[in-house]
Amino acid sequence: EVQLVESGGGLIQPGGSLRLSCAVSGFDVSSNYMTWVRQAPGKGLEWVSVIYRDGTTYFADSVKGRFTFSRDSSENTLYLQMNSLRAEETGVYYCARGASAYGPWGRGTLVIVSS
Amino acid sequence: QSVLTQPPSVSAAPGQKVTISCSGSSSNIGNNYVSWYQQFPGTAPRLLIYDNDKRPSGIPDRFSGSKSGTSATLGITGLQTGDEADYYCGTWDSSLSAGVFGGGTKLTVL
Repeated sequence: EVQLVESGGGLIQPGGSLRLSCAVSGFDVSSNYMTWVRQAPGKGLEWVSVIYRDGTTYFADSVKGRFTFSRDSSENTLYLQMNSLRAEETGVYYCARGASAYGPWGRGTLVIVSS
Repeated sequence: QSVLTQPPSVSAAPGQKVTISCSGSSSNIGNNYVSWYQQFPGTAPRLLIYDNDKRPSGIPDRFSGSKSGTSATLGITGLQTGDEADYYCGTWDSSLSAGVFGGGTKLTVL
């Protein structure tokens, strides 16, 4: 069964760092394009980052230089390292399979950036 | 301000058909595949349409997608109250080298 489970969210102060994880079962993360998408409370979907099979990564301009997307093939897990977090980055962070069409998705993990 | 433009809301009666538009530009919809997502409150989005007009397994054929130029359309026939949700279009933007989404459309089945 294909499953994606995000974790690592929580309350963090502005300027702080957080590392999100996405544990995947049912397929190999290293053989697939994988994407992070976030959603602020009551708002729409916002694309964050993608990692290609060859390890190439792309980021939204708003997070470039602050976020890092990596994977651990042995653990079949994705990681989103988020530094210098801002209040407006509060929301649910989802991981999903795909590079231009996303599915399936995990249930998401909530990140709250607040003092 | 989303790169892709969707109407904020649409509505129709049960059993009727509704279409949701998604407008972009040559750097995104014009030269890349479009996908569509359905999202119920408090849940993760679900892929409805990929590669402009293809349905993943398990998605009813009441849902359809099309693309023309720099616009795409999601169609839903035989509307059911259970279709009430938010719908998003998405694609890749070659100029931004980033994924982009529409702002979302709330469907109300009256």
